[in-house]
Amino acid sequence: DAKTTQPNSMESNEEEPVHLPCNHSTISGTDYIHWYRQLPSQGPEYVIHGLTSNVNNRMASLAIAEDRKSSTLILHRATLRDAAVYYCILGGNSGGSNYKLTFGKGTLLTVNP
Amino acid sequence: DAGVIQSPRHEVTEMGQEVTLRCKPISGHNSLFWYRQTMMRGLELLIYFNNNVPIDDSGMPEDRFSAKMPNASFSTLKIQPSEPRDSAVYFCASSLLGGGAGELFFGEGSRLTVL
Repeated sequence: DAKTTQPNSMESNEEEPVHLPCNHSTISGTDYIHWYRQLPSQGPEYVIHGLTSNVNNRMASLAIAEDRKSSTLILHRATLRDAAVYYCILGGNSGGSNYKLTFGKGTLLTVNP
Repeated sequence: DAGVIQSPRHEVTEMGQEVTLRCKPISGHNSLFWYRQTMMRGLELLIYFNNNVPIDDSGMPEDRFSAKMPNASFSTLKIQPSEPRDSAVYFCASSLLGGGAGELFFGEGSRLTVL
């Protein structure tokens, strides 16, 4: 499985933007970049995913580097409810395992009031 | 939609007992996943079903673990006999397209404690 590298933890202040980085230098051409988050005592929750172009949804934006070796999840205005572990995951048609999402340790985001 | 429903939410049992965890996926989803989460190992994929058929069980720890999906709306994960090292939160997730291309919807998990 292609691997991702994320900082262990980040801090932000409430109502400020947050940029969560992810490196994935071994990404293959068919790998999607997925972001999930896990709030305390809950199951992981889908945030966003993309292939090549930047993506926006009601939760966040995903900025993908032109060479696809890195990406950034952008929370435009952090709230206390955004405090969670954020996982950057590659998943797609690599080696036929298009169903597999392998979770790493993720980034623990702390939001200060 | 009610989302992915798991039961029980919490289970405390003694070593050697049989444990059965249950999952009801979202209606219409054809992919179902069982994950296990511990502090030491994080989230691990145990088994993946597609159209009720087990496709990949390479993550199942050992023969004590078994999973079934008798129909599109129900799956079980059974541990027999259970051991203290099986203590973890077990998540079920379902998807329409498979995790690699689409969105996984997770249940709230079943927290298992084996004494």
